[in-house]
Amino acid sequence: DAGVIQSPRHEVTEMGQEVTLRCKPISGHNSLFWYRQTMMRGLELLIYFNNNVPIDDSGMPEDRFSAKMPNASFSTLKIQPSEPRDSAVYFCASSLAKGFEQFFGPGTRLTVL
Amino acid sequence: QKEVEQNSGPLSVPEGAIASLNCTYSDRVSQSFFWYRQYSGKSPELIMSIYSNGDKEDGRFTAQLNKASQYVSLLIRDSQPSDSATYLCAPHRSNDYKLSFGAGTTVTVRA
Repeated sequence: DAGVIQSPRHEVTEMGQEVTLRCKPISGHNSLFWYRQTMMRGLELLIYFNNNVPIDDSGMPEDRFSAKMPNASFSTLKIQPSEPRDSAVYFCASSLAKGFEQFFGPGTRLTVL
Repeated sequence: QKEVEQNSGPLSVPEGAIASLNCTYSDRVSQSFFWYRQYSGKSPELIMSIYSNGDKEDGRFTAQLNKASQYVSLLIRDSQPSDSATYLCAPHRSNDYKLSFGAGTTVTVRA
């Protein structure tokens, strides 16, 4: 069975451009999480969904960040406009339900020049 | 006080030795505890989960949980160079969706 799928794996863009990261959770998983990881701040939870509904977006750093989950098999994280400080690895994770283990995708390494 | 604190690394151990990783958490309501391994440049990978006080063994890994002391540990026996990675502790509250991740402990196994 396929794990969590993320695309693109690498993204290099210039400051001010829009960036869209994509995630396909494991089939049958009801919860989806977006994380950001940097050396300085470690692994930070940005937002999570349950049954396609955003539950907590308090980790989203600014209004430049937005996330959607239009259906059970797809989610996007958008940054508009992007800034150099957004450079990080962005992970998507999914879990079967509340309280279950989370499984991570391979991540998207974002570099904003 | 941080929600989750792990022993600062890096932790360097010789091949074949036991690596001991510690984690304390502040939320007494935490019920489930997960250990993730993250290789450099890769995503976190679940290696152990523990829910009850005591020990849980899985191959060369042993997780130990003491809820009264709000402490969970991971022992890696017969350490191998392939165990060189960062290990993340993640307690979880049963009535919540999210995990609280520690900063991680980086382990280096010397051949």
